[in-house]
Amino acid sequence: QVQLVQSGAEVKKPGASVKVSCKASGYTFTSYDINWVRQATGQGLEWMGWMSPNSGYTGYAQKFQGRISMTRDTSTSTAYLELTSLTSEDTAVYYCAKNAPLTGDFDDWGQGTRVTVSS
Amino acid sequence: QAVLTQPSSLSASPGASASLACTLRSGINVGTYNIYWFQQNPGSPPQYLLRYKSDSDKRQGSGVPSRFSGSKDASANAGILLISGLQSEDEGDYYCMLWHSNSWVFGGGTKLTVL
Repeated sequence: QVQLVQSGAEVKKPGASVKVSCKASGYTFTSYDINWVRQATGQGLEWMGWMSPNSGYTGYAQKFQGRISMTRDTSTSTAYLELTSLTSEDTAVYYCAKNAPLTGDFDDWGQGTRVTVSS
Repeated sequence: QAVLTQPSSLSASPGASASLACTLRSGINVGTYNIYWFQQNPGSPPQYLLRYKSDSDKRQGSGVPSRFSGSKDASANAGILLISGLQSEDEGDYYCMLWHSNSWVFGGGTKLTVL
């Protein structure tokens, strides 16, 4: 079965960077895109960007341009999200989600990674 | 004005139907968009429910009961998630989403209470 398993919780200081991983299994990693979505406590869902594991092509939400990077390692079927210059506003649960290219069919989601930014 | 607006909460009785609206900002025509719907329970990731563009262009999520369905209200410029035969396990947060200006955009979510 399809699984997206994310790395564990992180605590970071303001100004630091965080890198979250999302390991895929149960399907062909390069045939589906990976999106990242975050959710602050008690708040709604916020889309951050997408990546094609096949080509490495990415598209980021304007809000995060300049401090976000999505990469992948096809040898381990793992996608990565890196966010720099963290502030308390980045405290949230970060989810990866898989979708067929050019669709919003986010059929499968990771379990989420809690990132806390605190001094 | 937000691209997608959802009522913050909705209550309905077990066995009844609930209609959750997702209103598009003026100037964005609901008829041209795929509207996606997700359900989220506390402490869990969102789950994909369905995609709806028209009655001839839609997709149900794997394992999602047929009592979850999509539609549009063109007069209100809104996407609609209809849940019939409400059950207690339908309680949760529901989000709509669409692709706009090179981004996936989520609505603010509706908290559905079944009581």
